[in-house]
Amino acid sequence: QVQLVQSGTEVKKPGDSVKVSCKSSEYTYADFGISWVRQAPGQGLEWMGWISGYNGKTDYAQKVQGRVSMTTDTFTRTAYMELRSLTSEDTAIYFCARDLNWFDSSGQHSRKFDFWGQGTLVTVSS
Amino acid sequence: QSVLTQPPSVSAAPGQKVTISCSGTSSNVGKNYVSWYQQLPGTAPKLLIYDNDKRPSGIPDRFSGSKSGTSATLGITGLQTGDEADYYCGAWDRSLTAVVFGEGTKVTVL
Repeated sequence: QVQLVQSGTEVKKPGDSVKVSCKSSEYTYADFGISWVRQAPGQGLEWMGWISGYNGKTDYAQKVQGRVSMTTDTFTRTAYMELRSLTSEDTAIYFCARDLNWFDSSGQHSRKFDFWGQGTLVTVSS
Repeated sequence: QSVLTQPPSVSAAPGQKVTISCSGTSSNVGKNYVSWYQQLPGTAPKLLIYDNDKRPSGIPDRFSGSKSGTSATLGITGLQTGDEADYYCGAWDRSLTAVVFGEGTKVTVL
């Protein structure tokens, strides 16, 4: 069955960088992308961006643009999300999710996150 | 503040029905497909509904989705204690060029 397994808990200081990994299994990696979604304590879901499993193309949310880099290693089927210049506002659980998206014939965007990693807690504190 | 608007909470007795609304604009819900996610306490979200009204395999037909104009609705019938969770709607926003989510709705089974 499809599985996404993420790296473990991270504790960082303000100004540091963090790199979270997400290893996929049991599906054709190039047929899907990986999105990263974070959730601050007690808060809702926030989409950070997407990377294609086919060609590594990326699309980042404006809020983290310039601080985030998403990469992928197709041989190990692992996606990475690096976030730089951390502040306390980046304290959150970071999830990766398998992402299938397309535009239909009428131009409507369809997107589904059908499998999720278990989440990685990143705590930023001095 | 989230781009999509959901009620903070809904509740009903076991066996009853609840509906959760998701209100957006022509930039998101009005012109793109909506998906719904269930997040049980301490776990990752789970896809419940995609493309407004489609259920992934394994999701019981007690869960249903619909959309009209700039609003979408998730329905849960035959409410069970195991349905107590937070529920989020999501859609692509063509102005923000980003996926946007609602603030989440907590379902309580009385």
